[in-house]
Amino acid sequence: QVQLVQSGAEVQRPGASVKVSCTTSGYTFTSYDINWVRQATGQGLEWMGWMNPDTGDAAYAHKFQGRVTMTRKTSTNTAYMELSNLGFEDTAVYYCTRGGDFDFWGQGTLVTVSS
Amino acid sequence: QPVLTQPPSVSAAPGQKVTISCSGSSSNFVNYYISWFQQVPGTAPKLLISDNNKRPSGIPDRFSGSKSATSATLTITGLQTGDEADYYCETWDGSLSAILFGGGTKLTVL
Repeated sequence: QVQLVQSGAEVQRPGASVKVSCTTSGYTFTSYDINWVRQATGQGLEWMGWMNPDTGDAAYAHKFQGRVTMTRKTSTNTAYMELSNLGFEDTAVYYCTRGGDFDFWGQGTLVTVSS
Repeated sequence: QPVLTQPPSVSAAPGQKVTISCSGSSSNFVNYYISWFQQVPGTAPKLLISDNNKRPSGIPDRFSGSKSATSATLTITGLQTGDEADYYCETWDGSLSAILFGGGTKLTVL
């Protein structure tokens, strides 16, 4: 069965960076894009960008350009999302999701930015 | 600012039907598919409808989607208490080259 398993919760200081992993199984990793979506507490869903695990190509939402990097390690079927220069407003649950349909989702990773 | 507009909340009794609307302000809304997601608080979103009206395997036919040139609708029939959740529409905005989500609609089953 298709699974996306994300890394655990993180607490970071303002100005720091965070890197969240998304390890996939049950399908061919390089056949589906990985998208990243975040959700602040009590708020809606916000798309951050996508990555093609086959080529490594990525495209980011305008809001995050310059601060986000999406990468992958094909030997472990794992995608990564790194967000730099964190601010308090980046406190949110971060999700990875499969393909253009967003048909399978990771369980979410809570990133808390706190001084 | 291209947005997808949803009502903040809807409610209906068990067994009844409810519709949730999603209106697009972008002129590109007509050109792209709409998807719908269900999110029970504290859990990850779940795909309910893709490509305007296609249900993934395992999604009951009580859930259906439709789309016109300027809006999309999620219809849920035979409401159950387990349907209480937040519902989001989503589409691609060609002018922004970005995915957009609606603001979400909280469904209460009275």
